[in-house]
Amino acid sequence: KNEVEQSPQNLTAQEGEFITINCSYSVGISALHWLQQHPGGGIVSLFMLSSGKKKHGRLIATINIQEKHSSLHITASHPRDSAVYICAVTGNQFYFGTGTSLTVIP
Amino acid sequence: DTGVSQDPRHKITKRGQNVTFRCDPISEHNRLYWYRQTLGQGPEFLTYFQNEAQLEKSRLLSDRFSAERPKGSFSTLEIQRTEQGDSAMYLCASSLAGRGVYHYGYTFGSGTRLTVV
Repeated sequence: KNEVEQSPQNLTAQEGEFITINCSYSVGISALHWLQQHPGGGIVSLFMLSSGKKKHGRLIATINIQEKHSSLHITASHPRDSAVYICAVTGNQFYFGTGTSLTVIP
Repeated sequence: DTGVSQDPRHKITKRGQNVTFRCDPISEHNRLYWYRQTLGQGPEFLTYFQNEAQLEKSRLLSDRFSAERPKGSFSTLEIQRTEQGDSAMYLCASSLAGRGVYHYGYTFGSGTRLTVV
């Protein structure tokens, strides 16, 4: 059983749609990260959360510590949002979800 | 195959020494990535391989760092003349890159924690 579970595994959306990616974890954490990886391999850290909600442009990340759940939302999706989105948590060690591959179609 | 394995889990070394880490990816995965994460930060991309070819290197990968994947299977990351700033978690991941942008089964190892004293 993975310590971090993401859903969905793959997601295809039309440009402009509102997108939600979910992450659940089963270990005690000090922080949760949302990462974005583009096809070239480079990874970008989008958010680091320990409570509440953060917003950056069209991206919103929320975390519910009691429920051990986080969501990443993308508003007004665009083809350049196409990437793999990875949820990761840090506690005693680093645990990663297996990623959600997002494709936004023009 | 139980996933991506990294060895060692922890390494403490004196400044100026060389260290080498190993990553064994999931056997059918053709892509292998190295990342570095310092405390409180998200992972930073270092380099990646498609089979045995090193396709991209970050500017973070100074000339003291070298990575190899000689047979397209396991990979090694070597740091020469270590500095205290090299202290970090070094993460390896692998995936199966299909057509276009699709990556399947993207899996990270548990990391090697390096402490340079």
